[in-house]
Amino acid sequence: GAVVSQHPSRVICKSGTSVKIECRSLDFQATTMFWYRQFPKQSLMLMATSNEGSKATYEQGVEKDKFLINHASLTLSTLTVTSAHPEDSSFYICSARDDRAGEKLFFGSGTQLSVL
Amino acid sequence: DAKTTQPPSMDCAEGRAANLPCNHSTISGNEYVYWYRQIHSQGPQYIIHGLKNNETNEMASLIITEDRKSSTLILPHATLRDTAVYYCIGAAGNKLTFGGGTRVLVKP
Repeated sequence: GAVVSQHPSRVICKSGTSVKIECRSLDFQATTMFWYRQFPKQSLMLMATSNEGSKATYEQGVEKDKFLINHASLTLSTLTVTSAHPEDSSFYICSARDDRAGEKLFFGSGTQLSVL
Repeated sequence: DAKTTQPPSMDCAEGRAANLPCNHSTISGNEYVYWYRQIHSQGPQYIIHGLKNNETNEMASLIITEDRKSSTLILPHATLRDTAVYYCIGAAGNKLTFGGGTRVLVKP
């Protein structure tokens, strides 16, 4: 099946710093990618829809200036958590759909962010 | 996305079939039924999806009722590695909204 690579898998940073997470579709093009966040023992929560070449669409309650999304190519979307604070500590997961085929979404392996 | 209801947890015996139910009584005609699973600390893994007809692949079978108000995911021979949270999602298009899922524990 299609592969979505997410990097880094784990990051620890100090409060106030910014962290960038990359999501790549390795063997397909993805006009649209999605970013989710998951807190311990909870389900995935959709944060935003990333659209290649245009602005991301954010879900209600998600701060767009806090979570910067860039989708500059058909195979790469990035999520930058700006001025991270301990409450931003979470598991961040991206997903992408193959433009050529089907309705399936493929997910990355996730990034565990810990803000000290 | 359609609202889905799943039991919060389920145990099943290794080697036996695991039948995971999902209610989606408000599903629209153009919404697919998707099943994903998430093993601890990993991203969700696609299992199967369908619209009206029953579907089967190398991982599982999906049985959708004729009125499309419910479905059952069948893992034919559960193994310990099938222990995970299983999510049933009703959606059209790209965006998937995850509910609480069913936490499945496969026991030896």
